[in-house]
Amino acid sequence: KNQVEQSPQSLIILEGKNCTLQCNYTVSPFSNLRWYKQDTGRGPVSLTIMTFSENTKSNGRYTATLDADTKQSSLHITASQLSDSASYICVVRSGGYNKLIFGAGTRLAVHP
Amino acid sequence: DTGVSQDPRHKITKRGQNVTFRCDPISEHNRLYWYRQTLGQGPEFLTYFQNEAQLEKSRLLSDRFSAERPKGSFSTLEIQRTEQGDSAMYLCASSEGLAAYEQYFGPGTRLTVT
Repeated sequence: KNQVEQSPQSLIILEGKNCTLQCNYTVSPFSNLRWYKQDTGRGPVSLTIMTFSENTKSNGRYTATLDADTKQSSLHITASQLSDSASYICVVRSGGYNKLIFGAGTRLAVHP
Repeated sequence: DTGVSQDPRHKITKRGQNVTFRCDPISEHNRLYWYRQTLGQGPEFLTYFQNEAQLEKSRLLSDRFSAERPKGSFSTLEIQRTEQGDSAMYLCASSEGLAAYEQYFGPGTRLTVT
């Protein structure tokens, strides 16, 4: 069964600190992996997209890594800001017509 | 604003009533997707269109659900005889081209069935 699992479920950090979110997937066939940020009550917004051959991709303070051998990905947030408070969802694309398989997300709260 | 828009943003209805949601994709995006998201979970795929053709429906889409995209532009999702279990956020997304690489999500419609 195609699955995407994320950890931790929730995380609280202080403003300015770094954090790392984890994603493990069992999806076949694998096309690419994305990280989305979803603010409460809003639709997800893409942060990064990584293909099979990419190990690291950065988008400002967000850095995603992908290990296709172990089927693991991480999202590292540097120097967190209050506006980083949101759910971060790991999504794996499977197949040729853009079928996306979503993880349950990690809810991040950044406190002052 | 040229993003994906959804209407209404919130809908409260009584059990047994019918509801209809609308999604306007980004112009010229030929693919349109509907997802359902319950609290604390990631979105789950419901159905998708390429132009006006509905190419796949999830088993989550019971007979009470119907989606249309009559002219290949906006889409509607109708739920008949709503049940409390239908309470969720309904998200629409669109993407362009055959590569269909990036899906852009709308803000969602939050449905509450009382």
